[in-house]
Amino acid sequence: DTGVSQDPRHKITKRGQNVTFRCDPISEHNRLYWYRQTLGQGPEFLTYFQNEAQLEKSRLLSDRFSAERPKGSFSTLEIQRTEQGDSAMYLCASSLVVGRSTGELFFGEGSRLTVL
Amino acid sequence: ELKVEQNPLFLSMQEGKNYTIYCNYSTTSDRLYWYRQDPGKSLESLFVLLSNGAVKQEGRLMASLDTKARLSTLHITAAVHDLSATYFCAVDVTSGTYKYIFGTGTRLKVLA
Repeated sequence: DTGVSQDPRHKITKRGQNVTFRCDPISEHNRLYWYRQTLGQGPEFLTYFQNEAQLEKSRLLSDRFSAERPKGSFSTLEIQRTEQGDSAMYLCASSLVVGRSTGELFFGEGSRLTVL
Repeated sequence: ELKVEQNPLFLSMQEGKNYTIYCNYSTTSDRLYWYRQDPGKSLESLFVLLSNGAVKQEGRLMASLDTKARLSTLHITAAVHDLSATYFCAVDVTSGTYKYIFGTGTRLKVLA
């Protein structure tokens, strides 16, 4: 397994357009997380999944943000009607949560969004 | 709401010196993680601390966890330039939820 992969790595869009990011987690991992990181800040929690079930979505997220994980494999994060404030790095991470697992997160390289 | 605070936010130190980064948090969780991030890169796991009193060491870095004080430390011994990076701690919101909140980060610069 090559780890967590994210696509695209970079996305430049105009305000008001919709964008979608994809994350492929480590295959045996049952948890998948989305975080957002802006320059000089720590990763900010957006949402996470246990298999295909979305466990929680941050209250900070507007209704323009939606995430799915169909079939408990890859996940998509869609942002509708993008705003300049959405410009950030969107990080995906996965982990194995079972029994005595450590719950350690493994991160992808991120998808950088620039909204003009 | 869980708060995770790190200090210092910025640290510039000479090679060969020792220093400690602190991570304070406001929940009763006993699961804490340290990550490293290089500029323009993603996060890499450094340490997993899963109980009160846990201590982990790797090379010049040593991490510890005091759940009663709600404090973790990342100690740097005899710093070298390659340790220059941003270090984040992350805390499980409630032990067993595996939902992680990250600290503000400590940007470390080691000067030759």
